Amino acid sequence: EPEVTQTPSHQVTQMGQEVILRCVPISNHLYFYWYRQILGQKVEFLVSFYNNEISEKSEIFDDQFSVERPDGSNFTLKIRSTKLEDSAMYFCASSVGTHQYFGPGTRLLVL
Amino acid sequence: QQQVKQSPQSLIVQKGGIPIINCAYENTAFDYFPWYQQFPGKGPALLIAIRPDVSEKKEGRFTISFNKSAKQFSLHIMDSQPGDSATYFCAATKDSSYKLIFGSGTRLLVRP
Repeated sequence: EPEVTQTPSHQVTQMGQEVILRCVPISNHLYFYWYRQILGQKVEFLVSFYNNEISEKSEIFDDQFSVERPDGSNFTLKIRSTKLEDSAMYFCASSVGTHQYFGPGTRLLVL
Repeated sequence: QQQVKQSPQSLIVQKGGIPIINCAYENTAFDYFPWYQQFPGKGPALLIAIRPDVSEKKEGRFTISFNKSAKQFSLHIMDSQPGDSATYFCAATKDSSYKLIFGSGTRLLVRP
């Protein structure tokens, strides 16, 4: 069964550093998303992406964040200057329509 | 208005019991309501979903009940098993958005 994959599984970085989280969505999917989950809390929407542009973003997704689909398979989330409060599990998801399929996540720790 | 409220926060049942998790929403524009199951260290996995034109949907041991007038929906797990022990999230969205609004989650423990 096709799956969303994410790399790396864990990332430790220093405050102020840039990180890039990578995702390979399911191949025939058209919509791509990033969500985050701070430890023990609910999953929060960050951004959705369709037809090579952002279709919707939350108030969390400020100028420090950007997304890109650099080729036909990868979908990336860049955090330009990480803050301590960016420490969370970041999930990529993809869909054809409303059914969203989530990847296993990247655990980001900002020190 | 964008919130989805979920209860209880945690739930313990014996094997074979029927845990029930409840969610409520306010935004009447929501038209798709999925439930996700999440095991520790893993991503949420789509379990079952419903649209407001039906009042109930069953898939295997999982049933969603939907009450449009009360703006509530619930997940029932029939004949629960220890392997069902996980965190369950309800969510809501509308076709024009696809942005999932998640509930706060329910940690379910099924004792053998």
